[in-house]
Amino acid sequence: QVQLVESGGGVVQTGRSLRLSCEASGFIFSGFGMHWVRQAPGKGLEWVAVISYNGYDTYYADSVKGRFTISRDNSRNTVDLQMNSLRHEDTAVYYCANRNGGAYAQNWGQGTLVTVSS
Amino acid sequence: QSVLTQPPSTSGTPGQRVTISCSGGIFNIGRNTVNWYQQLPGTAPKLLIQSNNERPSGVPDRFSGSKSGTSASLAISGLQSEDEADYYCAAWDDSLKGLLFGGGTKVTVL
Repeated sequence: QVQLVESGGGVVQTGRSLRLSCEASGFIFSGFGMHWVRQAPGKGLEWVAVISYNGYDTYYADSVKGRFTISRDNSRNTVDLQMNSLRHEDTAVYYCANRNGGAYAQNWGQGTLVTVSS
Repeated sequence: QSVLTQPPSTSGTPGQRVTISCSGGIFNIGRNTVNWYQQLPGTAPKLLIQSNNERPSGVPDRFSGSKSGTSASLAISGLQSEDEADYYCAAWDDSLKGLLFGGGTKVTVL
């Protein structure tokens, strides 16, 4: 079955960097786009970034553009999110999800919590 | 503030039918399909409806989706206690080049 496992979350000071990783299994990873979506405590879902199946195309939410970078390694079935210049408002649970046809985000991981504090 | 607009909450008694609306624009719902996600308390979101009205395997047929123009809706028939959750609509936006989520609707079963 499809599994997506996020890691790398934790507590980080404002202005510092953090790198999240999502390991995928149970499907042909190299054939699917991948998203990062976040959810601040008590708030709704916010899309962060997406990367195409081959890594050639990436898109970002305006709130993270220029600070976050999404990348993937199809040989290791992983998608990463490099987060720089972190702000308090980046505090959230970060989920990875795979795109499949008409499903923008078909399967979701359990999420990893990022807390940005001063 | 979300570009896709949902009511913040709705409620119903067991067995009732409830609907959740999702209002967007020409560049998102108007041009692209709509997904719906269910998020039970303390869990990750789950895909409920894809391509406007398709239920993934395992999703009960009590859940149905529709789309017309720049709006979409999710209907839950025969409401059950386990349907108490947050529901989100989503659509790709061709202008913003991003995936948009609605603000979410909390469904309470009375």
